[in-house]
Parts: sequence; C-alpha cells; structure tokens
Amino acid sequence: EAQVTQNPRYLITVTGKKLTVTCSQNMNHEYMSWYRQDPGLGLRQIYYSMNVEVTDKGDVPEGYKVSRKEKRNFPLILESPSPNQTSLYFCASSADRSVVDTQYFGPGTRLTVL
Amino acid sequence: QKEVEQNSGPLSVPEGAIASLNCTYSDRGSQSFFWYRQYSGKSPELIMSIYSNGDKEDGRFTAQLNKASQYVSLLIRDSQPSDSATYLCAVRGSGGSNYKLTFGKGTLLTVNP
Repeated sequence: EAQVTQNPRYLITVTGKKLTVTCSQNMNHEYMSWYRQDPGLGLRQIYYSMNVEVTDKGDVPEGYKVSRKEKRNFPLILESPSPNQTSLYFCASSADRSVVDTQYFGPGTRLTVL
Repeated sequence: QKEVEQNSGPLSVPEGAIASLNCTYSDRGSQSFFWYRQYSGKSPELIMSIYSNGDKEDGRFTAQLNKASQYVSLLIRDSQPSDSATYLCAVRGSGGSNYKLTFGKGTLLTVNP
C-alpha cells in the first residue's frame, strides 16, 4: 500500500530534550515536506526537500532541522524543543517538484512540549 | 510572503443544501489551485484542483476560479453530514516558488442532518 508513515504519532516531552520525528514514504517520491498545523494559523511549511541531500527552509524553519540521506526518509529534528513548538506535524510527499500539488500526507504527529 | 485567505467560518448548512467556500490569494502569478479536505484528527486529502478560469465539476463538488479577481471557490451541492470537515484552500506559488503550496487557514463546515 502506498503511504507516508510518521513516528511517533503522539509525543509528550519536556523543554530542551532533543527529539526526532521520523517520516518515511514507499512511493519513491522525490519531494518531501514537513508542515505544522496550529489552530487559527493553518498549515505552514517548515522544511522541504526536492531530492536526496537537497533541503531548504519553508516558512517557519526556526528551531527545526532536517536531513535527507535516503530518498524514502525525511526526519524532523528538534534539537532543543520549546513549548511554542507544541503542534500537530505532518509529513508529505509528492512524486517530484512539478507535481507538488498532489501531496500525500502522513497521519500526523501530535507533539506537546512542557 | 504570499497569502491565502479563507472565510473564517465556521459554516453551518442543513443537509441537502449548497455549501459555498471561498478563498482569495495574493500571488497574482499563481496558476494552480487546490481544495483539500481534512476530517477532524486526520490528515488533509486532495479533493479538487483547478487551473483555468471558470468552473470545474466533479460529482457534487464544483471549483470556480477567477484569476483576475484572485478568487477561488468550492461549492458542495446536496451537502451530506459526511461532508462535515475543514476545507483547506491551497495555492501553488509562481516563479521561484512554484515548488511550494501555500495553504489557507481552513474553513470548518458542519452539515446538519
């Protein structure tokens, strides 16, 4: 089954404790992206990657890091989480940058930073 | 920063009525427009795309685009309780931003039986 998976689905952590949210897709997609969704603010792009070893900042990259060492994986790293990073996070992928509109979203990761 | 604005909602309609969802965008060069549906607690899913001025129909859904007015809308005919969800308007950027989708904040639609 074609899908985007994220782990963990739910996470409660404390300020300053480094964490990684994994994202994996099995569709051989080149383009992957991370979004955060907050009430009243909608979906905002954090980082994106157009291919292996090619990443760039989205609209709200502060406090986040990403890497793209393999085509299928695109982890999101919070080196020192803060309460303002409490949010619902979605990973998404599309075949390539030319079809970025047809994005397949993962199930989401609900993160709470205390 | 390019913006996408949606009517804030929530929008409540009776079953069988037409629900009308609106969206405006700031990037005059944008050529591609999309509607995603997001059920509570779930991830967004693409339901409609539109690229040319005018109407595009798909079952009970009709997307309307007016590039001159920088306006996109989604009409849902014969609304059903299963249509209750948040609807996100998304616009593909132009020029150097054509790899990006910018989303509106969404409009919550409730269809009452």
